[in-house]
Amino acid sequence: KQEVTQIPAALSVPEGENLVLNCSFTDSAIYNLQWFRQDPGKGLTSLLLIQSSQREQTSGRLNASLDKSSGRSTLYIAASQPGDSATYLCAFLPMDSSYKLIFGSGTRLLVRP
Amino acid sequence: DTGVSQNPRHKITKRGQNVTFRCDPISEHNRLYWYRQTLGQGPEFLTYFQNEAQLEKSRLLSDRFSAERPKGSFSTLEIQRTEQGDSAMYLCASSLQSVAKNIQYFGAGTRLSVL
Repeated sequence: KQEVTQIPAALSVPEGENLVLNCSFTDSAIYNLQWFRQDPGKGLTSLLLIQSSQREQTSGRLNASLDKSSGRSTLYIAASQPGDSATYLCAFLPMDSSYKLIFGSGTRLLVRP
Repeated sequence: DTGVSQNPRHKITKRGQNVTFRCDPISEHNRLYWYRQTLGQGPEFLTYFQNEAQLEKSRLLSDRFSAERPKGSFSTLEIQRTEQGDSAMYLCASSLQSVAKNIQYFGAGTRLSVL
């Protein structure tokens, strides 16, 4: 069964901290992996997409890495801000069904002022 | 291009009623997807279309659910005889099928509450 596990499920940090969110997935044959942000009651905003051939992607204070051999991805957030408070979802697109994103349950992040 | 648009944003209905949601994809995107997200969980795939053809349906899509994409443009998702367990966020996404990339862009979702 194709699954994504995200650890921790919830995280509370003071403003300014650097933090790492973890994602593990069961399928090494992936098309790509995405990190999304979701604010309460809202839709999904794509943050970073890593193609299967890539090791990492960066956007501003965000950096995502991909290790297919170990089935892991991490999202690094530098100098966290209260506006970063949201749920962060990891999802991969399997090679054998490259239409169906497989999502984790997310990490709920709270950045305290 | 204003992104993926979903209507309505919120729907409250009584158990047993029928509801219909609409999704307008990004223009020229040939693939359209429906996902369902319950509280505290990640989205789960329901179905997808390539142009007007519905190519895959999840086992989550019971016979009370039907999706259409006439003319390969907008899509509708209908739920008949709603049950309280249908309460969830229904997300639509679209993409342009390509060899190089396959990026799904999501709408803001329709939140359904069945009383």
